[in-house]
Amino acid sequence: GENVEQHPSTLSVQEGDSAVIKCTYSDSASNYFPWYKQELGKGPQLIIDIRSNVGEKKDQRIAVTLNKTAKHFSLHITETQPEDSAVYFCAAGLYGGSQGNLIFGKGTKLSVKP
Amino acid sequence: DGGITQSPKYLFRKEGQNVTLSCEQNLNHDAMYWYRQDPGQGLRLIYYSQIVNDFQKGDIAEGYSVSREKKESFPLTVTSAQKNPTAFYLCASKRDRGYVDGQPQHFGDGTRLSIL
Repeated sequence: GENVEQHPSTLSVQEGDSAVIKCTYSDSASNYFPWYKQELGKGPQLIIDIRSNVGEKKDQRIAVTLNKTAKHFSLHITETQPEDSAVYFCAAGLYGGSQGNLIFGKGTKLSVKP
Repeated sequence: DGGITQSPKYLFRKEGQNVTLSCEQNLNHDAMYWYRQDPGQGLRLIYYSQIVNDFQKGDIAEGYSVSREKKESFPLTVTSAQKNPTAFYLCASKRDRGYVDGQPQHFGDGTRLSIL
């Protein structure tokens, strides 16, 4: 079955710097890759997603890149702000399949220091 | 506002007791999911349901049970057979069953279950 590895587990940056979180997946059939942000005591919120027919997607300060050959995808946050501090999860799924389940990475705790 | 409501926010269980966590959605979504979250462990799938009156076990279903009698409701029961139930439980939903076009899952704000 699918396995998703996420690195690093913790990341500390200065306000204004960039942050990069990387994930690798094992099942080459996976074709949908969402990223979630989870604040303390809350449920995860979708921040961006990408499908395998696209190599990069951007939404303001957030971007995701996908390398299908190497089976890895990354989240890039530019001009970080203290409110970006949270736990970020990547996930991989198979659209077009019968189940539609996601496999999640173990999360990255991002701290942005003012 | 459409969304997913989980209740209660905090729940305490005594030894040998079954407890039920509520999950209600008014998004008219077909698929619903229950995850368990432990520190440093990410999200692990307990049960999921693609349609009313049908559900399947996830990776860690032992000690848990679910029902899906209505489209908007997917309650999770943590039974006394679950020996380590202390965790943060998250419910999610998705518009269509399967992956028609790569739809995301939307999450509630969780229930934190502790042992007395």
